[in-house]
Amino acid sequence: DAGVTQSPTHLIKTRGQQVTLRCSPKSGHDTVSWYQQALGQGPQFIFQYYEEEERQRGNFPDRFSGHQFPNYSSELNVNALLLGDSALYLCASSPSGINNQPQHFGDGTRLSIL
Amino acid sequence: EDQVTQSPEALRLQEGESSSLNCSYTVSGLRGLFWYRQDPGKGPEFLFTLYSAGEEKEKERLKATLTKKESFLHITAPKPEDSATYLCAVQALQTGANNLFFGTGTRLTVIP
Repeated sequence: DAGVTQSPTHLIKTRGQQVTLRCSPKSGHDTVSWYQQALGQGPQFIFQYYEEEERQRGNFPDRFSGHQFPNYSSELNVNALLLGDSALYLCASSPSGINNQPQHFGDGTRLSIL
Repeated sequence: EDQVTQSPEALRLQEGESSSLNCSYTVSGLRGLFWYRQDPGKGPEFLFTLYSAGEEKEKERLKATLTKKESFLHITAPKPEDSATYLCAVQALQTGANNLFFGTGTRLTVIP
């Protein structure tokens, strides 16, 4: 049973560029959340997708956007990259309709901005 | 505003030396408190969910407990393979609030 998979594992970009990160949820999960984890910090919630719509959003600017596809996979897009966007980007999935089910995380994409 | 504070930031233990990690939280109604383990270069791995004060969960050498203001992760006779960062997160009861709010973690090192 495949868990949450993310691609790519590492990415290097320069300031001002745009990036797209991808996530496939765990089998049986239909809800996908994205988190940003800076070095030495806990993950910080970006947004959550369910039924192909953004259901909830954290305190992140509009440069951060996402998409969910009919097969429940998801993308995170970041425009106009800043040095401060360097972080580990984590995708987590969970099943809807079942209260309090834990979110399962992928191993993340390490994004470095030069 | 939701707040999660974990202590200590770092902990070094000798193999077999038991200890506890603390997670203090402030949330407008608790839906659940979650413990995760994170190894370097990896994503968080789910350990436990606690829902109400007085609840306890156990898994091998780990036991998690919950009160109305804090949670403890007790580690009994740790082994070097228990070395990792342990993250605590809360989920609020607020309608539609499905996100996890994390603390900064406790970095545990177990020395052989």
